[in-house]
Amino acid sequence: GDSVTQTEGPVTLPERAALTLNCTYQSSYSTFLFWYVQYLNKEPELLLKSSENQETDSRGFQASPIKSDSSFHLEKPSVQLSDSAVYYCAPGTDSWGKLQFGAGTQVVVTP
Amino acid sequence: GAGVSQSPSNKVTEKGKDVELRCDPISGHTALYWYRQSLGQGLEFLIYFQGNSAPDKSGLPSDRFSAERTGGSVSTLTIQRTQQEDSAVYLCASSSSGTSYEQYFGPGTRLTVT
Repeated sequence: GDSVTQTEGPVTLPERAALTLNCTYQSSYSTFLFWYVQYLNKEPELLLKSSENQETDSRGFQASPIKSDSSFHLEKPSVQLSDSAVYYCAPGTDSWGKLQFGAGTQVVVTP
Repeated sequence: GAGVSQSPSNKVTEKGKDVELRCDPISGHTALYWYRQSLGQGLEFLIYFQGNSAPDKSGLPSDRFSAERTGGSVSTLTIQRTQQEDSAVYLCASSSSGTSYEQYFGPGTRLTVT
């Protein structure tokens, strides 16, 4: 099966709604965990990074890795139109920095 | 500072021709990655270089694809005898080894095989 599993998209929600995107990964992966965001016709960019059980926060997004169940869910309490994008979960797979990107989840925020 | 740069930004080629795509990583980054993104799809890992170690070629889809990295900096991805299914955006990323691991992407090269 897939080594990184993300919420199946598209996820459509209105402005100011709360967003949660799930990500689970193969437990043998490293403790470095990333979320990337890709806006339309742009390259992926780093949204946030975490390690161990450290909660991180960036641009209003939060992610709390839970090592016990190999999950790294992304949350935002109130989305904006500009949050429409594809979100990729990407855990590290080795000690050299290779990342395993999930399939991505498209998020569409409506007015 | 300068980010990852890629050239050309767009490439149109005829089926059967060879193409070379170039990537200039962020200065000082020891790791360099190539990905492919077909239209509407996710990121497909192709190959990565880490310092002086042998490259991880596990994602290359066929022997028509190859890549090299000269002097630990610039990398070239070569596709021989291009096919229509090679049409995609080819993305390069770099990262610094050690404690960071975050990859920074270039703008990509959009390859169209006619």
